[in-house]
Amino acid sequence: QVQLMQSGAEVKKPGASVKVSCKASGYTFINYYIHLVRQAPGQGLEWMGLIDTSRGETVYAQKFQGRVTMTRDTSTTTVYAELSSLRSEDTAMYFCALLSPGIIVGGRPFDYWGQGTLVTVSS
Amino acid sequence: EIVLTQSPGTLSLSPGERATLSCRPSQSVRSTHLGWYQQKPGQAPRLLIYGASNRATGIPDRFSGSGSGTDFTLTISRLEPEDFAVYYCHQYGSTPRTFGQGTKVEIK
Repeated sequence: QVQLMQSGAEVKKPGASVKVSCKASGYTFINYYIHLVRQAPGQGLEWMGLIDTSRGETVYAQKFQGRVTMTRDTSTTTVYAELSSLRSEDTAMYFCALLSPGIIVGGRPFDYWGQGTLVTVSS
Repeated sequence: EIVLTQSPGTLSLSPGERATLSCRPSQSVRSTHLGWYQQKPGQAPRLLIYGASNRATGIPDRFSGSGSGTDFTLTISRLEPEDFAVYYCHQYGSTPRTFGQGTKVEIK
């Protein structure tokens, strides 16, 4: 079955960087983009970017341009998302997701989410 | 960027009542590219509706979606206790992808 398994919670100081990993399994890794979505405490969902897992090309939301970097390792079917220059407002749950509901695979829309990684930024 | 505006922000209803949630994109979205998610505390979002009106796998038929262009609706015909949650619309037709700010359906 399709799974996205994320790395564990992180606590970082302001100005530091954090790198979250997302291990994909149960499908052909290079066939689908992986997205990064975050959710601050008590807030809504915020799309941050995506990576084309086949070509390694990325698209980021303008808000995060220059601070977020998504990479992938096709040998381990893992995507990494690094966020730099952390500030307190970056405290959030970070999700990786296969956000392709318009693609039907095995009779169901291809939409799957990781369990989330809580990143806390605090001095 | 397509901004999705959801209303109301909070809906206070009793079990058995009908819930009607609205999502209005700032520019026209193809109905094939509009979805709805349900999120409960401490959980990842779960896809309910894709293509504006298609129920995802395992979603009960009390959930229905409709609409086109700049006006979409999610309807829950009779609220069950497990339906009290936050609902988000999402457009996946263009980047940047965007989500609405959410509608919380709470028990009255």
